[in-house]
Amino acid sequence: AQSVSQHNHHVILSEAASLELGCNYSYGGTVNLFWYVQYPGQHLQLLLKYFSGDPLVKGIKGFEAEFIKSKFSFNLRKPSVQWSDTAEYFCAVNARSSASKIIFGSGTRLSIRP
Amino acid sequence: DGGITQSPKYLFRKEGQNVTLSCEQNLNHDAMYWYRQDPGQGLRLIYYSQIVNDFQKGDIAEGYSVSREKKESFPLTVTSAQKNPTAFYLCASSVFRDVNTEAFFGQGTRLTVV
Repeated sequence: AQSVSQHNHHVILSEAASLELGCNYSYGGTVNLFWYVQYPGQHLQLLLKYFSGDPLVKGIKGFEAEFIKSKFSFNLRKPSVQWSDTAEYFCAVNARSSASKIIFGSGTRLSIRP
Repeated sequence: DGGITQSPKYLFRKEGQNVTLSCEQNLNHDAMYWYRQDPGQGLRLIYYSQIVNDFQKGDIAEGYSVSREKKESFPLTVTSAQKNPTAFYLCASSVFRDVNTEAFFGQGTRLTVV
């Protein structure tokens, strides 16, 4: 069975700092990978997704993620964060063999100091 | 507007009572999911359904039941057997049998047992 680990539970950064949130999954087969964001009081939104092709994926609002198959990782990055990036971020995996079962990590709360 | 509608937004229940959470989607998606969100635990999968009249247990199905009589509807019943039902419940849907599948989420229902 697939699982997802997000090791950073709460990250606090100042504006303009660079961001990297870790995500590791466990599954030996082919996967789809996602990052979702939940802004305070809002519903979950898709930030970016990886299905195949270029392992460096660009998403909305300047976010990107790199799929490293050998490390089973899909870390989220942003070169310069803004106060408006304060939110909770969730990594998710969907194993291709059980196409519609999407498993989420425990989430990382990001707080940005103005 | 296409989307996923969860109702009600807030729900209060007395201990020992069953309660049903509604989820309707007009995206023509095949797959639907129910997740439970608790602080620090991310989203945990309760049940999911890939097609009408079929559904599978997720990681925390005990004390919950679902039905999928129509493609657009996937109601969740929280039974009195669920030991800790107070939580935020999220419904989602996605395209099935398509490699480009990501989940779209509703606004959620916050259930409080009083």
